[in-house]
Amino acid sequence: EPEVTQTPSHQVTQMGQEVILRCVPISNHLYFYWYRQILGQKVEFLVSFYNNEISEKSEIFDDQFSVERPDGSNFTLKIRSTKLEDSAMYFCASSGDRDSPLHFGNGTRLTVT
Amino acid sequence: AQTVTQSQPEMSVQEAETVTLSCTYDTSESDYYLFWYKQPPSRQMILVIRQEAYKQQNATENRFSVNFQKAAKSFSLKISDSQLGDAAMYFCAYQDYGQNFVFGPGTRLSVLP
Repeated sequence: EPEVTQTPSHQVTQMGQEVILRCVPISNHLYFYWYRQILGQKVEFLVSFYNNEISEKSEIFDDQFSVERPDGSNFTLKIRSTKLEDSAMYFCASSGDRDSPLHFGNGTRLTVT
Repeated sequence: AQTVTQSQPEMSVQEAETVTLSCTYDTSESDYYLFWYKQPPSRQMILVIRQEAYKQQNATENRFSVNFQKAAKSFSLKISDSQLGDAAMYFCAYQDYGQNFVFGPGTRLSVLP
């Protein structure tokens, strides 16, 4: 069964550095999403992406964040100048259409030191 | 690796009736968290209920309650007095203290007037 793949599984970075989290959605999916979960807290929506542009974003998704589909398969989340509070699990998800169930990746654990 | 299974891709319930959504999981850990998330069409993730594995008492939140069977690794969600606004995708999720976080595939709940 096709699945959403996220790399790396764990990323450690120093405060102030930039990180890029990578996701390979299911190949025929058109809608892409990023969520994050800070340890012990609820899962939070960050951004949705369709047709090469952001369709919706949350208050969390400020100028520090950006998303990109650099080629036909990857979907990336870039975090500029990371802060300690950016430490979290970041989940990518994709769906075939707007109403289809989301398929989640296994997540990338980001640790900012 | 931890896994979460939701065996019901779709469920329906009559308004004001009760419905139970199933979730089973697999882990070798003894301490962990279990969650039910509701995802409306907006794709936000709304935390419905959370259970800590060391607590024997089933968590309850207004019309939502769980039946947590640790030995059977089962975590079902019961929605009482179903309302039209309860219609959504429901995801069961697992998190352990090693920060492994896994979503189930989801159950789409329809509420019939």
